[in-house]
Amino acid sequence: AQTVTQSQPEMSVQEAETVTLSCTYDTSENNYYLFWYKQPPSRQMILVIRQEAYKQQNATENRFSVNFQKAAKSFSLKISDSQLGDTAMYFCAFMKPFNYGQNFVFGPGTRLSVLP
Amino acid sequence: DSGVTQTPKHLITATGQRVTLRCSPRSGDLSVYWYQQSLDQGLQFLIQYYNGEERAKGNILERFSAQQFPDLHSELNLSSLELGDSALYFCASSVDRAGAEQYFGPGTRLTVT
Repeated sequence: AQTVTQSQPEMSVQEAETVTLSCTYDTSENNYYLFWYKQPPSRQMILVIRQEAYKQQNATENRFSVNFQKAAKSFSLKISDSQLGDTAMYFCAFMKPFNYGQNFVFGPGTRLSVLP
Repeated sequence: DSGVTQTPKHLITATGQRVTLRCSPRSGDLSVYWYQQSLDQGLQFLIQYYNGEERAKGNILERFSAQQFPDLHSELNLSSLELGDSALYFCASSVDRAGAEQYFGPGTRLTVT
C-alpha cells in the first residue's frame, strides 16, 4: 500500500520569504500523480500543483514549484514570496490513476503560518 | 468556487441515526468522489462513481453507501452513526474516470452527538 509522509507538522515563514514543505512517499508503482493541496481556514480543498510521475520536469504554478525526485520518492513544495493568504494546511497526496483501480492517499498535512 | 455543490453544509445528529449527504458535480463532470476528513484518520478516500457506476472503493465502512443518479448527482448515506463518524465529508468531481484533475466541493460538516 502507498504511504505519504509529511515530516513537518507545523512551519512558519515571514511574509515575502521562501519556504519549502517536505513530502516523501512510498510506492512500487511507476505511473502515478502527486499533488499538493491547500486547505485554508475556510476548509475548502484547493489544488495547488500537480506532478505526473513520467514527467521529469518539475511542475510550477506562479509562486509555487515542486522538487520532484522520483528515485528518492520525494516531492517538496516551494512557496516563493510568501503571502498572508498562503496561511493554510498543506497536504501532499499520491494518486494512482483511477483507470487502474483506486489509490488516493493523503499525507497528514503541514500547517503553514505566514507571519506579517 | 469550484462548481461542486454539497448540501447540507452542517448536520448534527445522534448516534444510531442515518443521514444522507448530497453532492452535485461540476457541469460536464462524470466522476464523483467522496472523501472523509476526521481528526484521527486525516483525509481518506471513500468511493468513486463514474457515470452512474461504482468505479473504485477506498476505506469506506459497510455502514456507509453511495450512489450516483442519472442526472449525475451523488448521495452518500451514513447509517448507524457513531461518534467517530463526526467529520468533514468532501465530494469532488472530475470530467474523466482517471481523477487526475478533481474539483472539491465545500464539504459537509457532520457532528454525531
